[in-house]
Amino acid sequence: DSGVTQTPKHLITATGQRVTLRCSPRSGDLSVYWYQQSLDQGLQFLIQYYNGEERAKGNILERFSAQQFPDLHSELNLSSLELGDSALYFCASSAISGANVLTFGAGSRLTVL
Amino acid sequence: DQQVKQNSPSLSVQEGRISILNCDYTNSMFDYFLWYKKYPAEGPTFLISISSIKDKNEDGRFTVFLNKSAKHLSLHIVPSQPGDSAVYFCAASDIYNNNDMRFGAGTRLTVKP
Repeated sequence: DSGVTQTPKHLITATGQRVTLRCSPRSGDLSVYWYQQSLDQGLQFLIQYYNGEERAKGNILERFSAQQFPDLHSELNLSSLELGDSALYFCASSAISGANVLTFGAGSRLTVL
Repeated sequence: DQQVKQNSPSLSVQEGRISILNCDYTNSMFDYFLWYKKYPAEGPTFLISISSIKDKNEDGRFTVFLNKSAKHLSLHIVPSQPGDSAVYFCAASDIYNNNDMRFGAGTRLTVKP
């Protein structure tokens, strides 16, 4: 157990729908990162928050949004889902912003039918 | 943009032999490099790292080599054990961009008994 908790572990939904993925960082970590791993692809950086503020943005689609709450948990919202959004979504955390070593959760597997 | 490339999707070696996993990068601003290991149904976990000021870092059976001029790094595992069977991700970060970390697509290592 890495200490980073992601829910749900699996999610199956239909095109056009909206889902929310949740992440609780490791205790004491202020920074949360979201990554997407599509089939046979590397981990694509989506977005990073530090202590509630957005710090860095990667290849995140406009249909996707995220936030980090005062209790430091984070949510990734995916809307108008398309088949190509099917992927593993990983959350990672670190104590500081821009840390070199990240602690990853087990991921949320999203399947869009 | 594939700034970090792992050109071998898979590698199979015999137990006790050396495993060599390769990684190439294109961004000369990367200054810190990491290897993460991922088992099925788990998130990636940090394995070993190297700063751009070094050309080698060793931790037990794992050694990472960095060739900055060739923009190439490799992970050597000696001797390989069946428990090393996993997907290995190469990652690189850029201190001038909030340590924006980019990952390769991963190499699946299978160590046969």
